Amino acid sequence: GAVVSQHPSRVICKSGTSVKIECRSLDFQATTMFWYRQFPKQSLMLMATSNEGSKATYEQGVEKDKFLINHASLTLSTLTVTSAHPEDSSFYICSAILPRTGGAGDTQYFGPGTRLTVL
Amino acid sequence: AQKITQTQPGMFVQEKEAVTLDCTYDTSDPSYGLFWYKQPSSGEMIFLIYQGSYDQQNATEGRYSLNFQKARKSANLVISASQLGDSAMYFCAMREGVGAQKLVFGQGTRLTINP
Repeated sequence: GAVVSQHPSRVICKSGTSVKIECRSLDFQATTMFWYRQFPKQSLMLMATSNEGSKATYEQGVEKDKFLINHASLTLSTLTVTSAHPEDSSFYICSAILPRTGGAGDTQYFGPGTRLTVL
Repeated sequence: AQKITQTQPGMFVQEKEAVTLDCTYDTSDPSYGLFWYKQPSSGEMIFLIYQGSYDQQNATEGRYSLNFQKARKSANLVISASQLGDSAMYFCAMREGVGAQKLVFGQGTRLTINP
């Protein structure tokens, strides 16, 4: 399967600071990447769809000014949590589509996730 | 309405037994894809198996098979000869429509394999 990396794997920061999380597709080019958030014992919640060279598409209820997404190249998307607060503490996971057919069967491969703790 | 429903919050199975994890879905689009992912305690999401709505045969990948019943809108994951390492959360997901990109996930099932 395709490899997606994420960095850092774990970050602890003070309230009010900004945190940047990187997501890279290591062995394929990904025009589309996704950012998810997962609370303990819950499912993944899609935050936004990141398209290379254009603005991200945010899901309803997700603050785009708080969660800045940049997809500057075909292998890198970044999520910046601005002015983080304790309620932003969560597990953030990125994924990328391995484009084969452009249809419903193209598989999404996930990064290992980043655990953010805001004190 | 829930697009993907996983009705089993937790399952406990003896090692070496087969286990079926349930998944039902709701869509009116004739073109869709169904996926199963495994999430161990480490947090990574591991792709297991895929079934397309137009596929005539049930998908299989090693010990994993998908029991696809289109009329019932169910896509149950079957794990044969379960192993201790199969203990994890399992998520069913769907992508619907031609050109669609978003995956919608179910709530997950926590599978525990007992020795």
